Amino acid sequence: QSALTQPPSVSGSPGQSVTISCTGTSSDVGDYNRVSWYQQPPGTAPKLMIYEVSNRPSGVPDRFSGSKSGNTASLTISGLQAEDEADYYCSSYTNSLTWVFGGGTKLTVL
Amino acid sequence: EVQLLESGGGLVQPGGSLRLSCAASGFIFSSYAMSWVRQAPGKGLEWVSAISGSGGSTYNADSVKGRFTISRDNSKNTVYLQVNSLRAEDTAIYYCAKGLGSSASRISPDYWGQGTLVTVSS
Repeated sequence: QSALTQPPSVSGSPGQSVTISCTGTSSDVGDYNRVSWYQQPPGTAPKLMIYEVSNRPSGVPDRFSGSKSGNTASLTISGLQAEDEADYYCSSYTNSLTWVFGGGTKLTVL
Repeated sequence: EVQLLESGGGLVQPGGSLRLSCAASGFIFSSYAMSWVRQAPGKGLEWVSAISGSGGSTYNADSVKGRFTISRDNSKNTVYLQVNSLRAEDTAIYYCAKGLGSSASRISPDYWGQGTLVTVSS
């Protein structure tokens, strides 16, 4: 159950777009459309932003979008805002009937 | 409104045990899988255990197999995590989380509690 691979950090200026990648294997990301993304500001519980690759829960702005190609999933945030600054985690179902998280990416809004 | 309230964390010596509880409200509890996810200080999220809506199926990360046991009481809308043989590396905030659905493939959390801190130290 190796963790999914995410870049440790990304950054962007207000109004710009950023993309966070999440690389797994054919046993998890590549085999299932069960990828989720979470936002976690410091000192708070995670919040679901995207589920099943590209679906947004009610209340999540449409600036947040998800996609997948092969073993890599991506979260794109367009029109960056200061309030988007947080840690972001991907997760995926695996063929071992378990779930695995990525190591997390710290998003800095410059 | 979905609410998840964890309890049972605290300071425990290496080798000790705790029982974590999570009281749920605001949804049909028996229709959803529930998970425990932990986060060591300054570290990332780690999925620990999950249980199907009926309680008939459980799933565990390799790192806790044989030491942690998840269970639920649908009559009390509560999920539990029995943690035994605790090690220093188990020190973390333990979050209770509601799944998107009732089965293993829909365990992905959509709502999270605020967490309960477990500290393993002598």
